[in-house]
Amino acid sequence: EAEVAQSPRYKITEKSQAVAFWCDPISGHATLYWYRQILGQGPELLVQFQDESVVDDSQLPKDRFSAERLKGVDSTLKIQPAELGDSAMYLCASSIQRGKGSTDTQYFGPGTRLTVL
Amino acid sequence: RKEVEQDPGPFNVPEGATVAFNCTYSNSASQSFFWYRQDCRKEPKLLMSVYSSGNEDGRFTAQLNRASQYISLLIRDSKLSDSATYLCVVNTNAGKSTFGDGTTLTVKP
Repeated sequence: EAEVAQSPRYKITEKSQAVAFWCDPISGHATLYWYRQILGQGPELLVQFQDESVVDDSQLPKDRFSAERLKGVDSTLKIQPAELGDSAMYLCASSIQRGKGSTDTQYFGPGTRLTVL
Repeated sequence: RKEVEQDPGPFNVPEGATVAFNCTYSNSASQSFFWYRQDCRKEPKLLMSVYSSGNEDGRFTAQLNRASQYISLLIRDSKLSDSATYLCVVNTNAGKSTFGDGTTLTVKP
């Protein structure tokens, strides 16, 4: 069964350092999502890509976070500089959907657990 | 007020019990609805979609009430393996997904 791949699985960094997370969606999935999940809360959408284009980054803290999906396949999420409050699970998901109103399932990767010291 | 709200629980029930979770949403333009299951320190996985007519998958039944803007999940004959957090997900017709904070279920022997 095809899966969403993420790396690293765990990352410990000091505040003010830069961190980067990588995601490889299921082959053929046009839509890619990055979520942040704080313990005890549901995933919060940071950015959504349709192929290589950003369709929603309204919740992305753009002063320190950036995301790209240059060839419309894999994606990188970067934080620079990291802050203590960034400690969370960062989840990547993908879905087939190509149009609005789709009911396609989102498939999640195992996540990257970030700890900022 | 959050766009999607769930009772956080925890719900502690004995094996064999029936338990129900509700989820309310505020955006009347919401188009599609899902229940995801998330085990501790794991990624969310789709449990079931929620259709307007309601749908059932084994011991699990999902219902949608558009007029009152809520969805529900009923689990019958609870198993120990049902212990998890259940996340309600609501999609708008623009393709935006909003997750609830989840309801935690613990099934005890």
